[in-house]
Parts: sequence; C-alpha cells; structure tokens
Amino acid sequence: DTAVSQTPKYLVTQMGNDKSIKCEQNLGHDTMYWYKQDSKKFLKIMFSYNNKELIINETVPNRFSPKSPDKAHLNLHINSLELGDSAVYFCASSQETSNYGYTFGSGTRLTVV
Amino acid sequence: AQSVTQLGSHVSVSEGALVLLRCNYSSSVPPYLFWYVQYPNQGLQLLLKYTSAATLVKGINGFEAEFKKSETSFHLTKPSAHMSDAAEYFCAVSYNDMRFGAGTRLTVKP
Repeated sequence: DTAVSQTPKYLVTQMGNDKSIKCEQNLGHDTMYWYKQDSKKFLKIMFSYNNKELIINETVPNRFSPKSPDKAHLNLHINSLELGDSAVYFCASSQETSNYGYTFGSGTRLTVV
Repeated sequence: AQSVTQLGSHVSVSEGALVLLRCNYSSSVPPYLFWYVQYPNQGLQLLLKYTSAATLVKGINGFEAEFKKSETSFHLTKPSAHMSDAAEYFCAVSYNDMRFGAGTRLTVKP
C-alpha cells in the first residue's frame, strides 16, 4: 500500500483550463502539505492543513485552492492555468508538525501548453 | 525564521570515494534538521533527521550527518560512494514549518 499517493502522475493541459490533483495518505498523519518544485528543483511550500484546518497559506495566486474533505485527503484545484504553473507538485504528510519529518508522494508533473 | 544553505549545487565523486554534501542552517531556536534524497522522477525520501538526541545521526543507505552547533552545520557524509547514490539531495530545517535548501546533485563516476 502506497503511504502517500497522488493522482494523476502526469497532467498535460492547455492554458486557461481548470484541473485538480488529488492526494491521499494512509499513515494516520494529522498534517498534509502541498509543495511546488520548479525546473531548478527548488521546493516551495504552498499550503499546509492540520486535521482539515488550513495552517499555512504561502503567497500563491488565488487560482490555487486546496481542499481537505478529511484528514487523509488534501486536493489541489487550479483555475485558469498559466504556462508558469508548469512544475512538479508534491503532496506530503507528517505527524502533528513538520518537526517529525515528511512522507512525500511521488509527485504530479503538470505541463501547461 | 529558519533557513538552510547547501554549498555546491553539483558534487561529483568517483565510485568508492567519500561523499560530503554540505549544509549550513540558520535558526533562532533549536532546529530539527533533515536530509532527503530524490531519485529521478520520484518524490523525496527521508535519509535521516536530527532531533537533538545525538549529534551524529545515522541514516539509511550508509549515510550519516553530524550536527555542529558551533559551525551551524549539518553535513551529510558516506564513506564510499556507490553508483546508486546518484540523486538530488536536499537539506531541510524545521521549527513547525519546514524549509528546504536548493538541493545538491550528486554524480558518481565509475
């Protein structure tokens, strides 16, 4: 069983479209995160949810909206996709806080054309 | 706010040679420090973590890191590189909010 699973693994879409990426963890962790990794491998936190409550909301365009239906799921919805949104998006989870370390999903490679 | 700096975006070693990947941290509170490895087209995997229990931390795949408060460093080492160690390595610091370094790509030459 995959601990943190993301779908889809690859996503190719046109500018202006709306898309969602789903994430599920079966570790019983309380906190989930979304990170964006750019072409230079730089990792930037986007959002953090603790038990369905938004904890971190870094400066990202409001076209990005996270949704956590329960503490095992954290989805990322992106409206009006732009070329600059092309990146690899990683979901991660941790016990309570990030001080315990993360378990990462395998990533979703988003390509906007 | 805490941060980490990884010295060297690319390190190349020969198979069997010592691996040394450098990381310096900045934190106003006692930090939690981590090393992660990312293989091509995969997510990040935790190698090891420092949580103040011991300054020398042993991780998976023969890696270890030493916390040196006086030098604000947490360098990653492995005595003998293997071809399978070729990957991107990330240092990270956390105090309720994890921040990653820019990464160091390790290349292992046969």
